[in-house]
Amino acid sequence: RKEVEQDPGPFNVPEGATVAFNCTYSNSASQSFFWYRQDCRKEPKLLMSVYSSGNEDGRFTAQLNRASQYISLLIRDSKLSDSATYLCVVNQAGTALIFGKGTTLSVSS
Amino acid sequence: EAGVAQSPRYKIIEKRQSVAFWCNPISGHATLYWYQQILGQGPKLLIQFQNNGVVDDSQLPKDRFSAERLKGVDSTLKIQPAKLEDSAVYLCASSLVQGLGYTFGSGTRLTVV
Repeated sequence: RKEVEQDPGPFNVPEGATVAFNCTYSNSASQSFFWYRQDCRKEPKLLMSVYSSGNEDGRFTAQLNRASQYISLLIRDSKLSDSATYLCVVNQAGTALIFGKGTTLSVSS
Repeated sequence: EAGVAQSPRYKIIEKRQSVAFWCNPISGHATLYWYQQILGQGPKLLIQFQNNGVVDDSQLPKDRFSAERLKGVDSTLKIQPAKLEDSAVYLCASSLVQGLGYTFGSGTRLTVV
């Protein structure tokens, strides 16, 4: 079983749509959780951290369910510029980040 | 603040040849990571350094891959001999604190033919 598993993609949505990505992780000792964004042929960049209480950053909302070992990312009012690959990432304290395979989002006009 | 510098940006080699990649992390970042990202996959950790010591190299194919960070600053990753399946982007990242606050370099895209 992979350490971090994500929804298979790609997700193709029109502008203005709401889209949700899901992710599960296998190591119950995982302590930190993130969503990274990776544009085509670019390096990954941190989109947002994910906290147990849930957190929001503009049109983006992240949720964590430790009991189910499940992480989600919701994007509201999708923009063309949201087209990218979204990587679910976890780690334990002091260890390197473990990345999921990524889910590709394509937003069209 | 200068970012993580990597070179070269692109490299094409024949199988069984050798290749080396260089990374200069952000000044003051003690932790340095090398990741391999195969097309369509997420980045996979190859090796993690804390200053000039290895913290985790459990996923480094040590029969052909080697990495060093002799003075605890810049680092070199080498592949010898290369195989077709080594075609990937090699990403270097650094952080002030282990496991947090990563900054990635632009990566080196390796094609083995």
